Amino acid sequence: GNSVTQMEGPVTLSEEAFLTINCTYTATGYPSLFWYVQYPGEGLQLLLKATKADDKGSNKGFEATYRKETTSFHLEKGSVQVSDSAVYFCALRRGGGATNKLIFGTGTLLAVQP
Amino acid sequence: GAVVSQHPSWVICKSGTSVKIECRSLDFQATTMFWYRQFPKQSLMLMATSNEGSKATYEQGVEKDKFLINHASLTLSTLTVTSAHPEDSSFYICSAREPGGANTGELFFGEGSRLTVL
Repeated sequence: GNSVTQMEGPVTLSEEAFLTINCTYTATGYPSLFWYVQYPGEGLQLLLKATKADDKGSNKGFEATYRKETTSFHLEKGSVQVSDSAVYFCALRRGGGATNKLIFGTGTLLAVQP
Repeated sequence: GAVVSQHPSWVICKSGTSVKIECRSLDFQATTMFWYRQFPKQSLMLMATSNEGSKATYEQGVEKDKFLINHASLTLSTLTVTSAHPEDSSFYICSAREPGGANTGELFFGEGSRLTVL
């Protein structure tokens, strides 16, 4: 079946450190891949996405590249800030159409210290 | 971006009672809303898909008589947990999709509602 595996958190970094949150997936066909972020007290927000192999999604300094050969979509940021502290969810959507179902990973808590 | 709001954000109830959670799209009309459930340190699990004016579609293993979903208008969907028991304690999250958003993959999420059943 379809599934998403994320690295367990929490991830604790100092400000300006490099961030990587690993995400791998299992799916048939060619899913679309997403990263969502949930800031404290808020709902999930789409951070970035990629819809086909080798696509790179980017937003707010975060990047992730759709790697079909390794079935991965790792999230990276070169220099994190305290304001990046949040829970990050990797997700996939297989196929299109009306259902638009997303399958989520378990989420990774990122804590950035000043 | 579009805003989705849930109410209440947290609720505590006694075992055997029913609890209703509301999900509203504040600045757009949502023809489709989704309800998720999240246990601690686990991923969001899709419970059901609700379409305005029609019956909800439940995922396998979700009791439709236990989790009643109503999507009576384009801006409101409700989830009612009937005869709640402690094992129903969880974090419930709704999301909504704008009309025409079927192929973009972007959903707008509420803040979540934490239910604790004593």
